[in-house]
Amino acid sequence: GAVVSQHPSRVICKSGTSVKIECRSLDFQATTMFWYRQFPKQSLMLMATSNEGSKATYEQGVEKDKFLINHASLTLSTLTVTSAHPEDSSFYICSASTGLSGQPQHFGDGTRLSIL
Amino acid sequence: AQTVTQSQPEMSVQEAETVTLSCTYDTSESNYYLFWYKQPPSRQMILVIRQEAYKQQNATENRFSVNFQKAAKSFSLKISDSQLGDTAMYFCALGGSQGNLIFGKGTKLSVKP
Repeated sequence: GAVVSQHPSRVICKSGTSVKIECRSLDFQATTMFWYRQFPKQSLMLMATSNEGSKATYEQGVEKDKFLINHASLTLSTLTVTSAHPEDSSFYICSASTGLSGQPQHFGDGTRLSIL
Repeated sequence: AQTVTQSQPEMSVQEAETVTLSCTYDTSESNYYLFWYKQPPSRQMILVIRQEAYKQQNATENRFSVNFQKAAKSFSLKISDSQLGDTAMYFCALGGSQGNLIFGKGTKLSVKP
């Protein structure tokens, strides 16, 4: 149980392109989803928290107009990197939770984004 | 502020031996949870073990167990009978009442044959 699917796993695209990453909870209702960014050999950095049906809460320093998050249903959240540039290249990983206190986050397999 | 500290950037252990990974944390919340996640080279984040702060009994999951010292704000992970497949980054995480996680910087564990 508690499977989270993240797609695509790998994206290579040109600078200026917008890229959408999907995160789906397959067997549970994810009231809350989280988006992280991970640089090589570093820990996960929380970018934003999204609750179904409401606007995402972004961490300090994360541009909300750059990283658009939509959480329109209890099973799907999307992250769109708008007008991506080489400095946006990174590993992006989502997680989903029922939102109940103490419940673990279940992670997708991540998306490796490379902007040329 | 909530913080998680993993003081061992890298560790190695021989196959079949036992290894302990350290983690200390700080929080002002009275109700919190602690987790260990494993990230193998595939980069998938896998939940290893979970501990509720209000429980004194240490959590155990097969070969994985924790030593939770609440007063000392310490949460170490013990891996018994280490296997090659245990090679991974291990992240200690503190979970608050909002469901968010605060991660440590990780410990890279190498299991040697």
